[in-house]
Amino acid sequence: ETGVTQTPRHLVMGMTNKKSLKCEQHLGHNAMYWYKQSAKKPLELMFVYSLEERVENNSVPSRFSPECPNSSHLFLHLHTLQPEDSALYLCASSQVRGNTEAFFGQGTRLTVV
Amino acid sequence: RKEVEQDPGPFNVPEGATVAFNCTYSNSASQSFFWYRQDCRKEPKLLMSVYSSGNEDGRFTAQLNRASQYISLLIRDSKLSDSATYLCVVNSQNDYKLSFGAGTTVTVRA
Repeated sequence: ETGVTQTPRHLVMGMTNKKSLKCEQHLGHNAMYWYKQSAKKPLELMFVYSLEERVENNSVPSRFSPECPNSSHLFLHLHTLQPEDSALYLCASSQVRGNTEAFFGQGTRLTVV
Repeated sequence: RKEVEQDPGPFNVPEGATVAFNCTYSNSASQSFFWYRQDCRKEPKLLMSVYSSGNEDGRFTAQLNRASQYISLLIRDSKLSDSATYLCVVNSQNDYKLSFGAGTTVTVRA
C-alpha cells in the first residue's frame, strides 16, 4: 500500500474518445504531480499542483487537461489523443516545504489506438 | 545542460559483486537528494534519502559531494533482486519540484 492510488491501471482508448485518469492520495500531502513515462525513456514531468494551485505546466498539449478539486485528488482528462501518447502515466504526491520525497501511484498504462 | 545527469549503464555485474555509480546535478542550491528504484513497468519507489554526511542502509551506501555536485550509490554483495533502474532525484529549484535523472540500469547475473 503506497498511499497513492491510481485508477484505472490499464486503459485502451481510441483517438476520438474522452477518458479521465484518477489519482487519490491518503498521505496528507499538499503537492501532487502527473508524470509521463514512455517506453525506455525517463520520467517527464507534466503538471504540478501545490496547495491545489497549478504551479507548473511543462508545455503539455491541450489534449491533456489536469484537474485538482482538493488536496487529495488529482485527475487527468484526456481527449483526442494520438498513438504517441501511449505511455505509463504516473501520479505522485509530496509535502511542500519539507524537502520530502515523492510517493508514486502504480500508474495507468495507456494505449491509444 | 540537464538538471540531473546519470550514466545510463547498463552495469552488468555477477552476484556478490560491488557496483557503484554517480549522478551529477547542475543547481548548486539543491537541498534534497534521493535515490529511487524502478523495476520494469512499475512505479519508482524510494530507496533512500541522501544526507550530507553520507548514509548507509544495509548493503546500500549513499554519498553526497556538494563541492563537485554529485551523489553516489554503492551496492555491496549484489543480489539478483537488485536488478533494476536506479533514479537519482534532486530537489533543484524550490519546495515542490523534484528533478529526476534518466536512471542507471543495473543487471545482476547469477
